[in-house]
Formats: sequence, C-alpha cells, structure tokens
Amino acid sequence: SQQGEEDPQALSIQEGENATMNCSYKTSINNLQWYRQNSGRGLVHLILIRSNEREKHSGRLRVTLDTSKKSSSLLITASRAADTASYFCATGLTGTASKLTFGTGTRLQVTL
Amino acid sequence: NAGVMQNPRHLVRRRGQEARLRCSPMKGHSHVYWYRQLPEEGLKFMVYLQKENIIDESGMPKERFSAEFPKEGPSILRIQQVVRGDSAAYFCASSPRRPARRNTQYFGPGTRLLVL
Repeated sequence: SQQGEEDPQALSIQEGENATMNCSYKTSINNLQWYRQNSGRGLVHLILIRSNEREKHSGRLRVTLDTSKKSSSLLITASRAADTASYFCATGLTGTASKLTFGTGTRLQVTL
Repeated sequence: NAGVMQNPRHLVRRRGQEARLRCSPMKGHSHVYWYRQLPEEGLKFMVYLQKENIIDESGMPKERFSAEFPKEGPSILRIQQVVRGDSAAYFCASSPRRPARRNTQYFGPGTRLLVL
C-alpha cells in the first residue's frame, strides 16, 4: 500500500489564509520531503526534514515531523494564488539511500 | 547550471510501438531515478541507476520495460510494445555523486506518454 497518505485530498482557501496539509507514513524513515507540482508540470523540491528533526522553516513554509506518530504537516502561511498546486510528501526509507516513496498528494486551490 | 532535462516532453505512440524516454541529469549528478505518475496519483518509483549500473529496479514492471544509464549520454527508459495502460507522465530525477541522508532529488519536467 502507499507509504505516504496526504490529508486532505483537496483544499480550497482564500488568498491570505493559511493552508495546512498532513502526511502519514508507515515505516521507519531517514527523511521526509515535500514537493510542489503545478498542473501538468514537474516537481519542485520545497523542503526536507530529517528523522531527528522536529520542525523546519523556509520562508512561508513550516514543516513538522512526529516520528512517534509517523506523521508530518506542511503549513503555508499567508497563501497566494500562485501557491495553487498539488503538494506531495515523499519519504526516504531507512536502509535505502535511493528511492523516494510518494503520497497521493493534496490539491490546493487558492482563490482571490 | 541547467536542471534535469527530459525529452521528448510529449510522446504519442500506437499500441505495440516502442517508446524511448531520455533524461540528462544535472551537471555533476551521477545518480538517476525514474518515476511514473498516473493521472490524479502520486509518483511511483521505477528504477535507480548510476553510471553503467542498475542499483534498484524493484519498481520496474517485469516485462517490456528497461532502463540504462551509459557512461556517456543520457539515461534511457525504454518501453517495448506499449499498451494503453502505459499512458502516464514519466519523471526523471537526479541527485549528487554521494547521496547522503539529505537525498534531495531534483526532478525534470517529465515526459507525457500517450498510447493510442
């Protein structure tokens, strides 16, 4: 089954509001990453958080990681219309220095 | 510094034909990964290669699919005798010579394959 599950599947907010997306996973990980994908485009790496970290910030992004609950959240503050995209979490598993396992994504719509 | 490059961006094939997808990693990157994305789904890992070596092909279908990353030139994902179910976006990613715990992968724009 899918390693990462994002919640919610879709989210619609107004510009200026905050958007929170959650990701759960099932096995031990080395790191967890968040990517953005605009419709019909490739993936853009947003942020990586290591398994020994609990929180990380990058601009308007805030990521938390709770390894005891096997979950992560991505918070986008003061959202903009340009943030409209699909957001995926991806896990790098313990023992594999290679492949990423992606969740099914959250489709974020930011309206004016 | 150019990013990961993939070509073609769009590819249309009829059932039974072969599809060849190319990926040039970022400069200085010698690790390449291929992922497949079906409509409305996340990316699924297919194969991980280093120069002239397949490291992990656990996500590759057993038949019709093959991948290579020669000493010179781009990585190639080859799909023989394509079927409609192969229609998807295929993404290539690359990472630096010594992947560490960071393991950040940089993605190309993808090749969208449509099988008629």
